[in-house]
Amino acid sequence: AQSVTQLDSQVPVFEEAPVELRCNYSSSVSVYLFWYVQYPNQGLQLLLKYLSGSTLVKGINGFEAEFNKSQTSFHLRKPSVHISDTAEYFCAVIPDRGYSSASKIIFGSGTRLSIRP
Amino acid sequence: GAVVSQHPSRVICKSGTSVKIECRSLDFQATTMFWYRQFPKQSLMLMATSNEGSKATYEQGVEKDKFLINHASLTLSTLTVTSAHPEDSSFYICSALSSGTPADTQYFGPGTRLTVL
Repeated sequence: AQSVTQLDSQVPVFEEAPVELRCNYSSSVSVYLFWYVQYPNQGLQLLLKYLSGSTLVKGINGFEAEFNKSQTSFHLRKPSVHISDTAEYFCAVIPDRGYSSASKIIFGSGTRLSIRP
Repeated sequence: GAVVSQHPSRVICKSGTSVKIECRSLDFQATTMFWYRQFPKQSLMLMATSNEGSKATYEQGVEKDKFLINHASLTLSTLTVTSAHPEDSSFYICSALSSGTPADTQYFGPGTRLTVL
């Protein structure tokens, strides 16, 4: 079975400061890794994903994440945040057993990023 | 991008009544729709997967007679919480997927907050 842990339920950050949202996963098989963002009153949007290749992946809005297999982590980073980044961020995995429309996404509990002016 | 809507966004009902939540894909045909439930400070948990024109597949522990899912058209799926009780109070999120596309490309609705008194 797979599980995803987001240790920080809330992360307050000042505007233009860097931020890191932590994500660790547990799995007996290889996984694909994702970060989703949910802005207030909107549906989840895919921010970025790691399927294979370079362990540093870049997503939308200046975010990036690095896959670390030995530490089973996929932390999300942004060097300088803006007020508009205020949202809930979800880390997720899909087991590497046939990447398809039938795959089940396993989500973490989310991290609320709040940006202070 | 593709948009998925949910209606209503919030609903409050009395214990013992039934509540219907609609999920619509506005600009694409959704051959598969997913229903998730999210309790405060917890992960999104997949409740069921529905394919247009066939019976929904429920996850272990989800009562199919309590959470009725209908996916009668390629743009609409409904979740009916029957004989709702306070413990059913939660945030319900649907998502929709086009045929042949991998699971991470599913489009999420903004969610429906159900409060059962």
